Order: sequence, then C-alpha cells, then structure tokens
Amino acid sequence: GQNIDQPTEMTATEGAIVQINCTYQTSGFNGLFWYQQHAGEAPTFLSYNVLDGLEEKGRFSSFLSRSKGYSYLLLKELQMKDSASYLCAVLAEWGAGNMLTFGGGTRLMVKP
Amino acid sequence: EAQVTQNPRYLITVTGKKLTVTCSQNMNHEYMSWYRQDPGLGLRQIYYSMNVEVTDKGDVPEGYKVSRKEKRNFPLILESPSPNQTSLYFCASSFRDRGVHEQYFGPGTRLTVT
Repeated sequence: GQNIDQPTEMTATEGAIVQINCTYQTSGFNGLFWYQQHAGEAPTFLSYNVLDGLEEKGRFSSFLSRSKGYSYLLLKELQMKDSASYLCAVLAEWGAGNMLTFGGGTRLMVKP
Repeated sequence: EAQVTQNPRYLITVTGKKLTVTCSQNMNHEYMSWYRQDPGLGLRQIYYSMNVEVTDKGDVPEGYKVSRKEKRNFPLILESPSPNQTSLYFCASSFRDRGVHEQYFGPGTRLTVT
C-alpha cells in the first residue's frame, strides 16, 4: 500500500510565499502529481515530477526527492484565488498498470 | 471542447435502489477511473480501466461495479446503494501511452443515499 502525508490546513498572506509539503512511502514509484481543487469543483492538474529536482511553472514550483520520499509545492506571490485545497498524489505500480493515490489534501487559506 | 462529463451531477436516492452514474470523455483517452471524495479521507480510487474491456479494482471497490464497453464511456454502477456510499464522485481520464498520466476530472456527482 501507500502512505501519503500532507498538512491538513495552512494559512498565508496575499503576496507571500508558501510551501506545502508531502511525504510518501510506496513501492514501484512512477511519479508525483500536485493538483489544485477549489471547494465543490474538480481537481485540476498543477505539476508532475518523476525525477529529483525542481520543476518551475510560473508562480508554482514543485520539488521531488525520491530517496527521501518527499515533495513540496511552492506558491509565490500568493493571490486570493489561490485559496483552495492542494492534493499530492503518487503514481505507483498496481496490478498490470499504475494507480494514482491521493493524499488527504492541504487546505490553503490566503488572507489579505 | 475537450472534457469529461458526468451525469447526474446531483442524486438523492434510497437504500437498495440500483443506480448508474455515467462518465464520458471526448479526448480518446485509454485510461479512465472513478474516485470518491470524503471529508478527511481525500480522493480514493474505486475502479480504473486501462482500455476497452480492461478494468481493475482500486482502493475501495466494494459495493461498486464498472464496465468499459466503449472507449469513451465508463459508467459506475451501484447495485444496492447504502448510506455509507454517500459521497462526492469524480470520474477521470488520461492517455496511457506517456509516462505523465495527467488526469482530467469530470465535474463530480454528489450522491446522497438515505
């Protein structure tokens, strides 16, 4: 099985930087995803890491360390619209294919 | 427009009354899956399908059935719904030929079983 941990809630100020951590334990690792989910809506894709290092995409960056089973999502220049849940998800071998397992999500509240 | 659609979006039903939630995608994706989302438990995979006529259990398959007779459709069937299946359900699809399984999610179906 897989074990994915991320903080339940975080609060940050508009314009600031926030880092959301995710730790995981799995076998057959094939990548780690970050998704954003606004309340009552479907998750939307933010990033994917399969190799160690930092992937940058605009205000959002994601980091992966496979040896440590650790990832983080970095949000810069926070905006009010960034208030949402951020889901860490691990892709790993399962049966004949792969399965994506989600963490419980981190609810981020951005305050003025 | 590329999208994943689910129907119905909202459903209130009674225990034991069979129901089907439909899912359809127009992106020619091979991979489709169903998730349920519950407070404090996150998204949990129910079933997935790697291609037509190929389905497999996810983390929480009990009480659910699926079928994949066509590439675009992946219905979720609850033969005898129970109150513990009250949840928010998402269908998702992606290509399977690349390493990056970026999944596209449907808008969700909120199911209440009384």
